[in-house]
Amino acid sequence: DGGITQSPKYLFRKEGQNVTLSCEQNLNHDAMYWYRQDPGQGLRLIYYSQIVNDFQKGDIAEGYSVSREKKESFPLTVTSAQKNPTAFYLCASSISRGRASYNEQFFGPGTRLTVL
Amino acid sequence: EDQVTQSPEALRLQEGESSSLNCSYTVSGLRGLFWYRQDPGKGPEFLFTLYSAGEEKEKERLKATLTKKESFLHITAPKPEDSATYLCAVLTSGTYKYIFGTGTRLKVLA
Repeated sequence: DGGITQSPKYLFRKEGQNVTLSCEQNLNHDAMYWYRQDPGQGLRLIYYSQIVNDFQKGDIAEGYSVSREKKESFPLTVTSAQKNPTAFYLCASSISRGRASYNEQFFGPGTRLTVL
Repeated sequence: EDQVTQSPEALRLQEGESSSLNCSYTVSGLRGLFWYRQDPGKGPEFLFTLYSAGEEKEKERLKATLTKKESFLHITAPKPEDSATYLCAVLTSGTYKYIFGTGTRLKVLA
C-alpha cells in the first residue's frame, strides 16, 4: 500500500538535545512538507521541498533543519535552538506539477514530541 | 495577507441533525481549496478538493461547496462516527504553500 510513514510515534527530548523525526513516502510524490500543530492553532509550515536536494523555509523554520537527499525521505531535526518544541509534528506530500502544486496533500500519522 | 477562517470553532449535533461548517478565505488568487478530517492524535485525512466557484463534491454524508469567498462542508444526517475536527486549507496562485484554518471540532451525539 502506498502512503506516508512517520517515526517514532512518540518522542521525548531532554533540554539541549537535538532530535530527528523521520518521514518516508512511497507515493512517488515530488513535494514534501513539515507542519507543526499546537492545540487551538492551525497547521503551521516549518519547511517544504519541491524537489530532491532543494528545500525552503516555511513560516516557523527557526530552530529546525531538514534535508532532502532522496525523493522518498524528508527528515526533520528539532535542534536545541527551538525553545518550545513540544507539539504534534505532521509530514505531508503532494504531487508537484510545474511551477506550483495544486493537488491535495497526504499526511502521515504524526509524531508527538515532548520536552522533558 | 492570505487568510483562512473556519467557523464555528466547535459544534455539537444530535445524530441526524444536519448542519454546515464554514471556511472563509481571503487570498490573492485561489488555486485550490481542500477539506480534511482529523481524528484525535492522527494525521489529517483528505476529503475534497474544490477548484472554482460553483463546484460541488459529495462523499457519503458530506458535501462541499465553493463560492468566491467561502466554502461550506454540509453534513447530512450525521452519525457519531462523523465526530472529528474538520480542517480547511487553500493553495494560492504561484505558491507551494498551503494555508490552513484552525478547524471546526464536530461532536455528534447518539
